[in-house]
Amino acid sequence: DVKVTQSSRYLVKRTGEKVFLECVQDMDHENMFWYRQDPGLGLRLIYFSYDVKMKEKGDIPEGYSVSREKKERFSLILESASTNQTSMYLCASTRTDEAFFGQGTRLTVV
Amino acid sequence: GNSVTQMEGPVTLSEEAFLTINCTYTATGYPSLFWYVQYPGEGLQLLLKATKADDKGSNKGFEATYRKETTSFHLEKGSVQVSDSAVYFCALSRHNFNKFYFGSGTKLNVKP
Repeated sequence: DVKVTQSSRYLVKRTGEKVFLECVQDMDHENMFWYRQDPGLGLRLIYFSYDVKMKEKGDIPEGYSVSREKKERFSLILESASTNQTSMYLCASTRTDEAFFGQGTRLTVV
Repeated sequence: GNSVTQMEGPVTLSEEAFLTINCTYTATGYPSLFWYVQYPGEGLQLLLKATKADDKGSNKGFEATYRKETTSFHLEKGSVQVSDSAVYFCALSRHNFNKFYFGSGTKLNVKP
């Protein structure tokens, strides 16, 4: 059974903290994505990676960075968390005919 | 550019009612089209897909037909159940990095 695993289901962090969200996939996919999901806005692409150490900005990259040191792992980094980054974060890896999602991380910044 | 537009929710239906959720897309070339479903507290999972014009995707009683002439991929189900209550996302994919573009999602509430 194919899997995308996100390290945490729920996180509470303080404003200004550096936050790491981890995502691991076991399908040997080259392409991995980070989205955030907010009510009424659907899924918005933050960053994606098409190979190890390669990354591209999505639609809303401000305040975020990413790291892809190994093919199976794609990390999202909030350099200095702010309350407007409170959201559901979804990681996905894709092949041409399907996107596979993790279960999501609900992040609250207080 | 590439984008997906789907009807706003929430949609509230009684059990056994007919469901339609509209989806239209804008894309260059020939995208693949998808419906994903998200149950409460979960990530998204694939419901059905179609990879070329006139293809019909189907799964769990849901159907959608890829209509190139109207750039649409409407989701239908003949008789909904309470367990179908979820958020439904229409999406397209292009071959550049297998990037997916999602609609804003439509929440479906089915009442007994």
